[in-house]
Amino acid sequence: EPEVTQTPSHQVTQMGQEVILRCVPISNHLYFYWYRQILGQKVEFLVSFYNNEISEKSEIFDDQFSVERPDGSNFTLKIRSTKLEDSAMYFCASSEKNTGELFFGEGSRLTVL
Amino acid sequence: GQNIDQPTEMTATEGAIVQINCTYQTSGFNGLFWYQQHAGEAPTFLSYNVLDGLEEKGRFSSFLSRSKGYSYLLLKELQMKDSASYLCAVEGNTGFQKLVFGTGTRLLVSP
Repeated sequence: EPEVTQTPSHQVTQMGQEVILRCVPISNHLYFYWYRQILGQKVEFLVSFYNNEISEKSEIFDDQFSVERPDGSNFTLKIRSTKLEDSAMYFCASSEKNTGELFFGEGSRLTVL
Repeated sequence: GQNIDQPTEMTATEGAIVQINCTYQTSGFNGLFWYQQHAGEAPTFLSYNVLDGLEEKGRFSSFLSRSKGYSYLLLKELQMKDSASYLCAVEGNTGFQKLVFGTGTRLLVSP
């Protein structure tokens, strides 16, 4: 069964460092998303991406965050200068259409020290 | 604003039936998802309701009433592996899947 894959599974970084989280969405999917979940809290929407541009973003997704689809398969989330409060599990998700089933990856756990 | 309410925790015994409720008040509504999430893992899709009524899929069923802002997830013939968090999420009507999640209901199934 096709799946969304994410790397790394866990990253530890120092405050102020740049981090890139990588995702390979399901191959025929056109809509890509990043969500995050701080430990013990709810899953929160960060950004949606379609047709090589951001279609919607939340208040969390400030200037420190960016997304990119550098080639036909990868979808990345960059945090330019990490803060302690960026520590969370980051989930990539993709879907074939702009509605219906949304497939999540296994997540990348980011720990900022 | 967006508000999604579901119970924090529920317990049930193996073989039983459990119903997890979700009420929502959101500024836009296109559909409602239920996801299962085991600790430290990704949410796994269970169901998606757009129209009022009951959708059945094996041991799991999901119900939606748009006029009441209410949904429930029904789990039958509970198994130990069903112990997990169950997340209710509302899909807005912006044209993209900006899901608003509830805090989740932690279900503990005991022997």
